[in-house]
Amino acid sequence: AQKVTQAQTEISVVEKEDVTLDCVYETRDTTYYLFWYKQPPSGELVFLIRRNSFDEQNEISGRYSWNFQKSTSSFNFTITASQVVDSAVYFCALSGRDRDDKIIFGKGTRLHILP
Amino acid sequence: EAQVTQNPRYLITVTGKKLTVTCSQNMNHEYMSWYRQDPGLGLRQIYYSMNVEVTDKGDVPEGYKVSRKEKRNFPLILESPSPNQTSLYFCASSWARSTDTQYFGPGTRLTVL
Repeated sequence: AQKVTQAQTEISVVEKEDVTLDCVYETRDTTYYLFWYKQPPSGELVFLIRRNSFDEQNEISGRYSWNFQKSTSSFNFTITASQVVDSAVYFCALSGRDRDDKIIFGKGTRLHILP
Repeated sequence: EAQVTQNPRYLITVTGKKLTVTCSQNMNHEYMSWYRQDPGLGLRQIYYSMNVEVTDKGDVPEGYKVSRKEKRNFPLILESPSPNQTSLYFCASSWARSTDTQYFGPGTRLTVL
């Protein structure tokens, strides 16, 4: 069965600090995709990134970066120089191609950026 | 504007009173799905649909029904709601499969008394 673990339930950091959100996954599929979504206090779900299992290159988008390591089944998300607007709940998600078309989300990490 | 819409946004109802939450997308997406979000449990998939007349169970389908008679619409039906179905519900769509980027609706907050 597929599984996504976000062990950090809640994190608080002071503005301008760097913060890393962890995501560990389990799957037997050889082809799978990983996602990160952001849910700000307003409640909507905002897509951040999609990564397939064959692409282990790290991704950087402005202050955001993602580190995908198949060897440790992890897809961690780092915010550099955090800002108050980064305060949100962040979800990691997994979907495989081999068996079914389900999507499994982690339980989310609530991030507080303190001014 | 490309979007997923849900109605109603907020609903308070009583146990046993059938209700439907509508979901519609204007992006010609094949894949649509429903999730519920509960504190401490994250998002859990209820049902999904790969195409018209094709639906399948997610991880928490008990107590819910769906239908996909048209490509753009994917209503969620609670035939006899119970208090444990009080939750925040999201509809989402994607181009073809679950492995494509999901576009989410704004959410429906349901309270069952």
